[in-house]
Amino acid sequence: GAGVSQSPSNKVTEKGKDVELRCDPISGHTALYWYRQSLGQGLEFLIYFQGNSAPDKSGLPSDRFSAERTGGSVSTLTIQRTQQEDSAVYLCASSRTTSGRYEQYFGPGTRLTVT
Amino acid sequence: AQSVTQLDSQVPVFEEAPVELRCNYSSSVSVYLFWYVQYPNQGLQLLLKYLSGSTLVKGINGFEAEFNKSQTSFHLRKPSVHISDTAEYFCAVSLMDSNYQLIWGAGTKLIIKP
Repeated sequence: GAGVSQSPSNKVTEKGKDVELRCDPISGHTALYWYRQSLGQGLEFLIYFQGNSAPDKSGLPSDRFSAERTGGSVSTLTIQRTQQEDSAVYLCASSRTTSGRYEQYFGPGTRLTVT
Repeated sequence: AQSVTQLDSQVPVFEEAPVELRCNYSSSVSVYLFWYVQYPNQGLQLLLKYLSGSTLVKGINGFEAEFNKSQTSFHLRKPSVHISDTAEYFCAVSLMDSNYQLIWGAGTKLIIKP
């Protein structure tokens, strides 16, 4: 079946502009995660959605970052007033449910470059 | 707080040689353990995982890992590497008390020399 998809694959934006990154999880997966991967770094957790519950936003680095998940499926990560330090690969993942024993399936990522 | 340490940022090995990628973790509660692989310009995919039972876990592409609770390690091994194994390998843990969050190591780049 179809995996996790993300769009765009690459985004170049000017400092100060807003950007929206999209994630389509695997159908039927109730859990959705956003991560950030900076050059030479591991994955940094950003935000987590589980069904209709309130999202866990504890990983968002600043109030310029926000995310929503409509209808328990598609998610959008928005970065307002982008800064150069926001340049990174943004990864989305989904899993069947919340339990830590379940594998997370990753999308190919969106490479964001802020100039 | 939990943490994952991958001691080597890069590991160069000759083709057909064995390799071990090291992973140590720190946690006050029991954990599930994972190795993910990221091939060049691709997303991450699960290589193998340890949930319970036998401490030796076999994964895809001939990789295996052994959970050592006393040493809090989960090292990844392959007896003979191929050029196609060139990738970045990430170790991660999640807590058994249903915490969903994966805690990640910084990754190890496996470089295969011909």
